Amino acid sequence: DAGITQSPRHKVTETGTPVTLRCHQTENHRYMYWYRQDPGHGLRLIHYSYGVKDTDKGEVSDGYSVSRSKTEDFLLTLESATSSQTSVYFCAISESGTAGNTIYFGEGSWLTVV
Amino acid sequence: RKEVEQDPGPFNVPEGATVAFNCTYSNSASQSFFWYRQDCRKEPKLLMSVYSSGNEDGRFTAQLNRASQYISLLIRDSKLSDSATYLCVVNKGNNDMRFGAGTRLTVKP
Repeated sequence: DAGITQSPRHKVTETGTPVTLRCHQTENHRYMYWYRQDPGHGLRLIHYSYGVKDTDKGEVSDGYSVSRSKTEDFLLTLESATSSQTSVYFCAISESGTAGNTIYFGEGSWLTVV
Repeated sequence: RKEVEQDPGPFNVPEGATVAFNCTYSNSASQSFFWYRQDCRKEPKLLMSVYSSGNEDGRFTAQLNRASQYISLLIRDSKLSDSATYLCVVNKGNNDMRFGAGTRLTVKP
């Protein structure tokens, strides 16, 4: 299994509170991604990083921010959580981007916003 | 219209059956294609890449038809352990991977 750890794995939070999800990898891969998965939608990219301090937006980035201060850590922050952000969040890594390369997923973080 | 469309199923088949899943994608410039497998409440894992010439991995065969923008996955001699959701994935390039919503398969004894 790819060395990816997500924390917390499960969280319930109230609307309007900030939430940070952490992804930690031990593979020294350059690329890291945050996806969310919702019924009927498949996985959708929120943000990704192609190096320390280098990030870019994905398909559904509104309401989310990210930071990558070290190769091994990629943080996803919901500044003010809303019920529409209730979802399963998956972190993923790849060695050199997605073009022809396998991406490996973490075990997921289940977030409920009440 | 979604960029990657899959029949959600569920497909319920007996052990030993052959089952086929289809997937269509809308962006003709898409660069590479994959099938991922996802077990209930688990992370997706790569099953196989899909090549234009078609490719096989044991009981699994993947096909790509670029002209019709269509991808398929064939599973022969289904096993109970094949029960999962199968995700069609299209790489548009520039780190833009698009996932289908998945097709659920249940293999029954």
